[in-house]
Amino acid sequence: DIQMTQFPSSLSASVGDRVTITCRASQSISYYLNWYQQRPGKAPKLLIYAASSLQSGVPSRFSGSRSGTDFNVTISSLQPDDFATYYCQQSYGTPYTFGQGTKLEIK
Amino acid sequence: QVQLQESGPGLVQPSETLSLTCIVSGGSFSNYYYWSWIRQPPGKGLEWIGYIYYDGSTNYNPPLKSRVTISVDTAKNQFSLKLTSVTAADTAVYYCARHGGSGSYYQFDYWGQGTLVTVSS
Repeated sequence: DIQMTQFPSSLSASVGDRVTITCRASQSISYYLNWYQQRPGKAPKLLIYAASSLQSGVPSRFSGSRSGTDFNVTISSLQPDDFATYYCQQSYGTPYTFGQGTKLEIK
Repeated sequence: QVQLQESGPGLVQPSETLSLTCIVSGGSFSNYYYWSWIRQPPGKGLEWIGYIYYDGSTNYNPPLKSRVTISVDTAKNQFSLKLTSVTAADTAVYYCARHGGSGSYYQFDYWGQGTLVTVSS
């Protein structure tokens, strides 16, 4: 199985801050990396697919990047709605696997 | 707008079979899409259970493979999950989700709202 290591596991930040979350794959997964946002009690919501493509309707303050087997999602200026848990997921091969999640909290 | 809705019992007895259905509305059920089940134990992360392709072929996560069956009823625009011999470790919110399609990177683009299934006597 492809292991996805996500860090940090939690992050405290303030409105307006720029934050970056990283996900590292245990092997090459090309661009088959997706990011989801999950608010408490809600289903995950797709933010970014194919490492850097923004899902329709997602604000442009979200961006994704890839360097080898390392992937980042960056929020350029945190808004109150952004405080949630974020997951990466590889769709290169089955079984599809997710990172452990990053909980983004208000400082 | 594609919508997915899970339904099924919220409480299952240990050693029994968990059965859930996901009804898909607002879009084509075929057209090269995959339909997955994903679960999330309370306070924990996400685990992919398996998928069924529009042609009926399936793929399951190996740790669950011996206990999982996913089936599809294209006439009713729905697909189903059966998980046998459940234990407390199977207590989770169960989501159905869509992925695939032309030009896709197999991202899960539409999700149901999730349904909590508790395994307890």
